[in-house]
Amino acid sequence: NAGVTQTPKFQVLKTGQSMTLQCAQDMNHNSMYWYRQDPGMGLRLIYYSASEGTTDKGEVPNGYNVSRLNKREFSLRLESAAPSQTSVYFCASSNRAGAGLNYGYTFGSGTRLTVV
Amino acid sequence: TQLLEQSPQFLSIQEGENLTVYCNSSSVFSSLQWYRQEPGEGPVLLVTVVTGGEVKKLKRLTFQFGDARKDSSLHITAAQPGDTGLYLCAAGIGGANNLFFGTGTRLTVIP
Repeated sequence: NAGVTQTPKFQVLKTGQSMTLQCAQDMNHNSMYWYRQDPGMGLRLIYYSASEGTTDKGEVPNGYNVSRLNKREFSLRLESAAPSQTSVYFCASSNRAGAGLNYGYTFGSGTRLTVV
Repeated sequence: TQLLEQSPQFLSIQEGENLTVYCNSSSVFSSLQWYRQEPGEGPVLLVTVVTGGEVKKLKRLTFQFGDARKDSSLHITAAQPGDTGLYLCAAGIGGANNLFFGTGTRLTVIP
């Protein structure tokens, strides 16, 4: 099925470990995003890539890095995991970004990360 | 501080009842979208509204965009258990290259 694929679905890390969350979309979308979702906080933007070759910080970028590998793939890396990074992570894509945005986001099904 | 405030946070109703949930901001939206999220899944887009005063209908769901483009409402008629989920509003604000999301309204429809 067409859409956004995230791997892994679940992960448990020890404090200080590193890992990369993978995201791929097959809709030829230009823009891709990483959000985290925490109870009572809603979805908060970590990083986004408006187009291939560009990345920008969102609301909560500290402790994360991203790579837009090609038009399809956008990965999120935790270099040294902390318990505060326990969350559900969502990747999304859209056809375009910019002012007057009116293109919907397509989301993946999420990665549930626990840092102990 | 949340750019988008949604109310109520939680809503539990009986099957067949009507309900309205709200999304408000002090900022003007360039566009506004509503999503529904089910447990263990990502949000799924329901509708996009871009013009002040716009009303869109999707079967039993009616979406309204405020005249000043600072607020929106979602009205569900004759709610069904399949409507259960987290309803999120999201807005493009100013020249931002991304959407801002509200914290959501968690709806439970009891059979």
